[in-house]
Amino acid sequence: DIQMTQSPSSVSASLGDRVTITCRASQGISSWLAWYQHRPGKAPKLLIHAASSLQSGVPSRFRGSGSGTDFTLTISGLQPEDFGIYYCQQADTFPPGFGPGTTVD
Amino acid sequence: QVQLVESGGGVVQPGRSLRLSCAASGFRFSDYGLHWVRQAPGKGLEWVAVISYDGGNKMYADSVEGRFTISRDNSNSTLFLHMSSLTTEDTAVYHCARVPAPYCTSVSCFRYYMDVWGKGTTVSVSS
Repeated sequence: DIQMTQSPSSVSASLGDRVTITCRASQGISSWLAWYQHRPGKAPKLLIHAASSLQSGVPSRFRGSGSGTDFTLTISGLQPEDFGIYYCQQADTFPPGFGPGTTVD
Repeated sequence: QVQLVESGGGVVQPGRSLRLSCAASGFRFSDYGLHWVRQAPGKGLEWVAVISYDGGNKMYADSVEGRFTISRDNSNSTLFLHMSSLTTEDTAVYHCARVPAPYCTSVSCFRYYMDVWGKGTTVSVSS
C-alpha cells in the first residue's frame, strides 16, 4: 500500500494567517490526491481533488498544488470555520489511503 | 440536499456483533458505490470497506476481512456494515462516504476521492 505522511502534525494560526500543509506519498501518485477538512462533530468535507481541483462550493482561499510525491494545501486568510484537522488521501491505487492529519488550531 | 446519516453505534463487549446503518438522501442512491471509513481515538482516517452501486462487488481492509460484511438495500437507500467478533481495536467513529463516480464496480474507481460523507456513529468495544 502507498503510505502518506503529512507535515506539520499541528499548526497554531490566527485569523487572517496563511497556512501551508504538506503531504508526501511513498511513491509517485501523479495528481491522484485529495484534501479533506474534518471539524469535530461534523462530517469530513472534500476540499480538493486531483491535487488542485477545488470541489464545488469550497471557498477559493483553499488551494492545492503538487504532483508525483509532494503536495501542498494552502489556506490564504484563515477564517474561524477553517480550524480543524486536514487530511490528504491518495487516489492512485486501491485501497485509498489517508495521511495522519494536520491540526490547525 | 445530498446527505448521509449513520446510526447503530454503541457500546459492545469484545467478541460481540453490531450492525451499523447509513441512510442516504438527496441523490439516486442506487447509482453510487459507498465506503465505510473509520477513525479510532487519536488516530487518522482508515478505509474499512466498499460496495459497488449494485452490491455485486465488495472489498475489505485486511484488518476487518472475514469479520465485517458490507451490504446495501437500494429500495430503502440504506447502507449497512455488519461487524462481528469485535475487538477493542475496532473502537472508532464510523463514517459512510460516497464514491463520486456513478456505476462504479471496480478498484479503478473505488480508489477515487470520496465526495460526500456522514458525521459518523461511534462504536466502543469494551468489557
